[in-house]
Amino acid sequence: AQTVTQSQPEMSVQEAETVTLSCTYDTSESDYYLFWYKQPPSRQMILVIRQEAYKQQNATENRFSVNFQKAAKSFSLKISDSQLGDAAMYFCAYRPPVYNQGGKLIFGQGTELSVKP
Amino acid sequence: DAGVIQSPRHEVTEMGQEVTLRCKPISGHDYLFWYRQTMMRGLELLIYFNNNVPIDDSGMPEDRFSAKMPNASFSTLKIQPSEPRDSAVYFCASRDRGPYGYTFGSGTRLTVV
Repeated sequence: AQTVTQSQPEMSVQEAETVTLSCTYDTSESDYYLFWYKQPPSRQMILVIRQEAYKQQNATENRFSVNFQKAAKSFSLKISDSQLGDAAMYFCAYRPPVYNQGGKLIFGQGTELSVKP
Repeated sequence: DAGVIQSPRHEVTEMGQEVTLRCKPISGHDYLFWYRQTMMRGLELLIYFNNNVPIDDSGMPEDRFSAKMPNASFSTLKIQPSEPRDSAVYFCASRDRGPYGYTFGSGTRLTVV
């Protein structure tokens, strides 16, 4: 079964500093997609960044970047220059190919990030 | 595009009552997913549709839960009768056939007292 594990229930970072959130997953597929979602108190699920497994280059979106280690099945999120608005719950998610269960998203348990001013 | 629209945003009901949650996906999206979020179980998939057809409902917890998608622009999740343990946030999400494309609605917070 495909699973996603986030081993850090809570993390804290000082404003303007850098923080890394960890995620590991388990799959037998070679082609898949990985995502990080942000859920602020408004509860809206916001896509932060995505990575295709066939791409070796790590994805980057402004202050957000990932470290994708396919062999290790690891997908960490780095937030640089942390801002107060980054405080939220962060979910790592795995998406298999469409032929596998419709490509449904499988989520980790989440990491609650707090940002200290 | 207004995104995925869910209603109501909040629902408070008494145990034993019927509850209906509604979702309007993004036009052109072929897939629709219903997720439930709780503190204990996190985000779990309840059911998903492809081209309005239910494909996998293995995540539906009990027969009290049912979902329909009568057309490409509307889906419902019904709980009858509701129980306090059904209290959760229910999300609807849709996506197209492409490799990415998940868009979530704002969720419905259901409280059963």
